[in-house]
Amino acid sequence: DAGITQSPRHKVTETGTPVTLRCHQTENHRYMYWYRQDPGHGLRLIHYSYGVKDTDKGEVSDGYSVSRSKTEDFLLTLESATSSQTSVYFCAISEGGGQAREQYFGPGTRLTVT
Amino acid sequence: GDSVTQMEGPVTLSEEAFLTINCTYTATGYPSLFWYVQYPGEGLQLLLKATKADDKGSNKGFEATYRKETTSFHLEKGSVQVSDSAVYFCALIEGAQKLVFGQGTRLTINP
Repeated sequence: DAGITQSPRHKVTETGTPVTLRCHQTENHRYMYWYRQDPGHGLRLIHYSYGVKDTDKGEVSDGYSVSRSKTEDFLLTLESATSSQTSVYFCAISEGGGQAREQYFGPGTRLTVT
Repeated sequence: GDSVTQMEGPVTLSEEAFLTINCTYTATGYPSLFWYVQYPGEGLQLLLKATKADDKGSNKGFEATYRKETTSFHLEKGSVQVSDSAVYFCALIEGAQKLVFGQGTRLTINP
């Protein structure tokens, strides 16, 4: 199994509070991703990173920011959580360098915004 | 933009039945195609992939063939088992390693 951990695994928070989710990898892979999973939508890309301090937006980036100060850590921040951000969040990693590179997924974080 | 459409679920079959989960895609270029599987309470795992037209990906008895003429990548298995119960996602890669997923198909196999 790829060495990817996510923390916390479960979180309940109130509307308007800031929330940070952490993804940590031990594989030294270049690419890291944050997805959200919602019923009927599959997984949708929020942000991704192609190197330390190099990030870009995905399909559903509004209301989210990311940071990557070290190769192994990729943080996802909800500046002011809303109920529409209740979801399961998955981190993924990839070596990159070619179109068919496999992405390895973490176990997920279930976030509930009340 | 690129997109993936999967057959709607849920799908319920009896053990040893034949499985087909349909997947079609829209893409401007020549994507690579993937099937991922998600078991209850877990993250996604790559099941199989194909990188060019007419390639066949296979793993654990599952197969899918990249059909460029019909823009399809249907997942098949000849004899399903209870342990195959999971959610299956079809996906494609569009530039910069960004996966685009279908909505997922929940499969339940009854003994």
